[in-house]
Amino acid sequence: NAGVTQTPKFQVLKTGQSMTLQCAQDMNHEYMSWYRQDPGMGLRLIHYSVGAGITDQGEVPNGYNVSRSTTEDFPLRLLSAAPSQTSVYFCASSAQGQANEKLFFGSGTQLSVL
Amino acid sequence: KQEVTQIPAALSVPEGENLVLNCSFTDSAIYNLQWFRQDPGKGLTSLLLIQSSQREQTSGRLNASLDKSSGRSTLYIAASQPGDSATYLCAVPYTGANSKLTFGKGITLSVRP
Repeated sequence: NAGVTQTPKFQVLKTGQSMTLQCAQDMNHEYMSWYRQDPGMGLRLIHYSVGAGITDQGEVPNGYNVSRSTTEDFPLRLLSAAPSQTSVYFCASSAQGQANEKLFFGSGTQLSVL
Repeated sequence: KQEVTQIPAALSVPEGENLVLNCSFTDSAIYNLQWFRQDPGKGLTSLLLIQSSQREQTSGRLNASLDKSSGRSTLYIAASQPGDSATYLCAVPYTGANSKLTFGKGITLSVRP
């Protein structure tokens, strides 16, 4: 049982480039979410999904797109990378609402935008 | 807006000491509170989840308590070990929304041999 898998682990982009961070879970969890972690700012929610076909914005959604075509996958797309998007990105999932079930995290993607 | 505070930001203790990590939140109308552990360069691992109807949860040497009325939670670590060195974060659901979490910035614990 792999849990929550994120790829890639490291990525360097130039300003203006686009890319997709991948996230997959094999626990049949309904809820999936993306957080970014920055020094001094803690973890902040970018986007989340309560099930296939349903997504919503979190605290810091600008510059990011998501879609949820399957229960297993929840990719995060950076449309035009900016230096302010340099961060560590975590994908997380839970069985029901995050309020009622433990949250499982992936190992993270460290992104640098030059 | 829910705000979560963890003070101090860092803590260093000798091995064997019992210790308490604090977490405070501004809106007491929460569904639950989770404590997480994060090792350097790794993701977060959920340690304990306390439902709003519970006052505490225990797992091994860890005990977490919740006092909604005062907006506080504590994580008690008994007989600390060097392997407990990590960052500990608490998180509660957003005010009025039970599907999103607000995290504290964490307490970085160092247990000295």
